[in-house]
Amino acid sequence: EAGVTQSPTHLIKTRGQQVTLRCSPISGHTSVYWYQQALGLGLQFLLWYDEGEERNRGNFPPRFSGRQFPNYSSELNVNALELEDSALYLCASSLGDRIQETQYFGPGTRLLVL
Amino acid sequence: QQQVKQSPQSLIVQKGGISIINCAYENTAFDYFPWYQQFPGKGPALLIAIRPDVSEKKEGRFTISFNKSAKQFSLHIMDSQPGDSATYFCAAISSGYSTLTFGKGTMLLVSP
Repeated sequence: EAGVTQSPTHLIKTRGQQVTLRCSPISGHTSVYWYQQALGLGLQFLLWYDEGEERNRGNFPPRFSGRQFPNYSSELNVNALELEDSALYLCASSLGDRIQETQYFGPGTRLLVL
Repeated sequence: QQQVKQSPQSLIVQKGGISIINCAYENTAFDYFPWYQQFPGKGPALLIAIRPDVSEKKEGRFTISFNKSAKQFSLHIMDSQPGDSATYFCAAISSGYSTLTFGKGTMLLVSP
């Protein structure tokens, strides 16, 4: 069974640009979560989608947004990139909105903002 | 109240020794406590998890100890091996429409 996949693996952008990251959950999983892992800050929760709807949002500005498609894949969009957005962006999936305890993570997308 | 505090930040243990990582929480609504292991260049992977109705859970060399009254839980890695060298995250979640809250991580190095 394929795990959570993310694309691209690495990305370099400049300040002010926009970026879109993609995530495909494990087959059968309906919930997708996005986390930011910046150096020394651990995993910071960004967004949670289930059945196409945003269920919860972390303490991030509105320039971080996303969506979930009918096939449960998801995109994370970041507008007006800032230097401090440089981080590993992790996507995770779980079976459903009430079974989000066991989250399976993808390998992440490493974003560098110059 | 959503915080999970993890210590130490880094840990060096000799091969064969015991690695101990501690976490503390404030939110008494948390009812599931997983530990994740992350190798460089990889996403975190679920290692072991516990619910507050048990005080200890063991899977192979990995044991979670849970102290509900103190609101603390810890991961013990027995007979630590160089292959255990990774970053370990504790986390907590409450049932329902909530999300995992992670500790800041512990970088473990097991020296040969």
